[in-house]
Amino acid sequence: GENVEQHPSTLSVQEGDSAVIKCTYSDSASNYFPWYKQELGKRPQLIIDIRSNVGEKKDQRIAVTLNKTAKHFSLHITETQPEDSAVYFCAASVTGTASKLTFGTGTRLQVTL
Amino acid sequence: DTGVSQDPRHKITKRGQNVTFRCDPISEHNRLYWYRQTLGQGPEFLTYFQNEAQLEKSRLLSDRFSAERPKGSFSTLEIQRTEQGDSAMYLCASSLGDGGGHGYTFGSGTRLTVV
Repeated sequence: GENVEQHPSTLSVQEGDSAVIKCTYSDSASNYFPWYKQELGKRPQLIIDIRSNVGEKKDQRIAVTLNKTAKHFSLHITETQPEDSAVYFCAASVTGTASKLTFGTGTRLQVTL
Repeated sequence: DTGVSQDPRHKITKRGQNVTFRCDPISEHNRLYWYRQTLGQGPEFLTYFQNEAQLEKSRLLSDRFSAERPKGSFSTLEIQRTEQGDSAMYLCASSLGDGGGHGYTFGSGTRLTVV
């Protein structure tokens, strides 16, 4: 089955700096890669996603890049703000079938003042 | 209908007891998923339904676990003879179709503590 690895497990940046979180996946059939943000005690919320036919997608301060050949994808957050502090999960799935998501182990991002 | 609802939010039970959780998905969503999340880990897939049909179950879902979605709307997850290792957050999610266009919507989860 699919295996998703995520790095780093914790990341501390100063407000205004950029943060990058990286994930690799094992199943070459995976074609959908969402990122979720989970604040303490709250539900995971989708912040951005990308399909395998696209190499990069951007939404304001958040961008995701995908390298299908290397089977890795990354989340980039620019101009970080304290409210960006949370746990971020990457995930992978094969759409069109069960579409079950396989999640990474999460990255705890701390944005300091 | 503003999202996925789960009930109860918290459940403390003694080892060996049975527990049942409920999930109400977004009404027009035909797919419903159950995930389990332990501290410091990402959610792990348990099972999913398309309408009322349970189409896939993870190996994580032992014989003590059963899920139903009798009318293709709400779903229940029952754990029989609970064990301490069952302590986790149980998350429900729903999607329209395969969710690839808009992703899942997760509920707030039911936190189970087995003592």
